Amino acid sequence: DAGVIQSPRHEVTEMGQEVTLRCKPISGHDYLFWYRQTMMRGLELLIYFNNNVPIDDSGMPEDRFSAKMPNASFSTLKIQPSEPRDSAVYFCASSAQGNSPLHFGNGTRLTVT
Amino acid sequence: SQQGEEDPQALSIQEGENATMNCSYKTSINNLQWYRQNSGRGLVHLILIRSNEREKHSGRLRVTLDTSKKSSSLLITASRAADTASYFCATDVNTGNQFYFGTGTSLTVIP
Repeated sequence: DAGVIQSPRHEVTEMGQEVTLRCKPISGHDYLFWYRQTMMRGLELLIYFNNNVPIDDSGMPEDRFSAKMPNASFSTLKIQPSEPRDSAVYFCASSAQGNSPLHFGNGTRLTVT
Repeated sequence: SQQGEEDPQALSIQEGENATMNCSYKTSINNLQWYRQNSGRGLVHLILIRSNEREKHSGRLRVTLDTSKKSSSLLITASRAADTASYFCATDVNTGNQFYFGTGTSLTVIP
């Protein structure tokens, strides 16, 4: 089991550019979560999917953020246009069922200059 | 918004000592989980305790839950340098499928 795989590990981009973060969940897991971690705000839940369907995106900060899950093995989080305040570590996590332990990827560290 | 708050924010102990971290939360829960995060890595699940349980053990970890006080504690016994990490509690809300994390306790174990 390779675990949750995120790419890229690091992303540095200029303000105004589009950023796409990628996630491959653990095979067979029905739930996928996107979190953002900053020193100021800690870990924030952005959005989660169940069986590829977005269930709750109330944590998505602005319309500049969008997430998709076209199939059970792939999800993207897109920021367009990016801003310096989007700088953070973005984590993807998956779980087998609702209410079961989360398995996290190692995150994508995003820096927007 | 964050559901939980850990206390203390930072803890430094000598190897071999016990470490206790506390978590308080705001609303009713189905279960509570504890996670560890090493620097530069993702969170790793440690233990899950359900709302109808009061205590749970896993190796050197002991978790208690007091739903009347909306609080939980994580005890790490006989700490090791490798236990140095940040520890987070996570609680579920609403349907139970979403987990919200606390602010974390940064633990340093000095060899």
